Amino acid sequence: AQSVTQLDSQVPVFEEAPVELRCNYSSSVSVYLFWYVQYPNQGLQLLLKYLSGSTLVKGINGFEAEFNKSQTSFHLRKPSVHISDTAEYFCAATSSGGYNKLIFGAGTRLAVHP
Amino acid sequence: GAVVSQHPSWVICKSGTSVKIECRSLDFQATTMFWYRQFPKQSLMLMATSNEGSKATYEQGVEKDKFLINHASLTLSTLTVTSAHPEDSSFYICSAHPGLGPRSEQFFGPGTRLTVL
Repeated sequence: AQSVTQLDSQVPVFEEAPVELRCNYSSSVSVYLFWYVQYPNQGLQLLLKYLSGSTLVKGINGFEAEFNKSQTSFHLRKPSVHISDTAEYFCAATSSGGYNKLIFGAGTRLAVHP
Repeated sequence: GAVVSQHPSWVICKSGTSVKIECRSLDFQATTMFWYRQFPKQSLMLMATSNEGSKATYEQGVEKDKFLINHASLTLSTLTVTSAHPEDSSFYICSAHPGLGPRSEQFFGPGTRLTVL
C-alpha cells in the first residue's frame, strides 16, 4: 500500500535562513508527488509537483523539491524563508493506478521566527 | 487558475440537525470530487470520492448514511452531515479534479468549519 511520511512534525527556523522539509514515500508503482501549503483556516494550495522528467522541480514562492527515486524521497527546500512562509506543509502522492486519490503525509508545521 | 468554492465557510448547528456543505468548481468541469476531513493540527483524511452521476465511494470507516454525498452535476457536489453530533465537528475540505488522469492537479476549496453544539 502507498504511504507518505513526513519526518518532522514541526520545523522552527529564523527568517532568511534556509529550510528543508522532509518527505518519504513508499509505493510499488509509479508515483506522482506533490507539496501543498495550508494557511490557517484555509484550503490547500499547490506549491509544486513531480510527474516525470527532471528530478529538480521548482514551484511557487521560491520553493523547490528534488525527487530521489533511490531514497524514495521528495524533500522541499527554500534557500531563504520569510515570516509569511509560516504555515502547514503537506506532502502527497498519487499513483498511476490510484484513481486520482491523493495520500497525504501528516504535515509539517513551519514556524518562521524574526 | 482553477477555482473551487465551498459554502458555507463556517456553520454552527445544534446536535441532531443536518448540515449541507456545497462544493463548486467555478471555471472548470470536475468529473471527480473528493471530500476530506481535517481535525486540528492533523492531516487530511479522505472521506469519499464522488463522480458525477454515480454513487460516491466511501473510504473504510466512513459512515455513508451519516455523510451523504451527491455529485449532481460536473460543477457541484454536496456533503450532508445527517443528525450531526459534537464529534462531527471538524474542518471539511473538498477538492475537484478535471478528470485528466492522475498527472493533473486537484484543486482544493477553502474549507468549511463545522461546529456542532
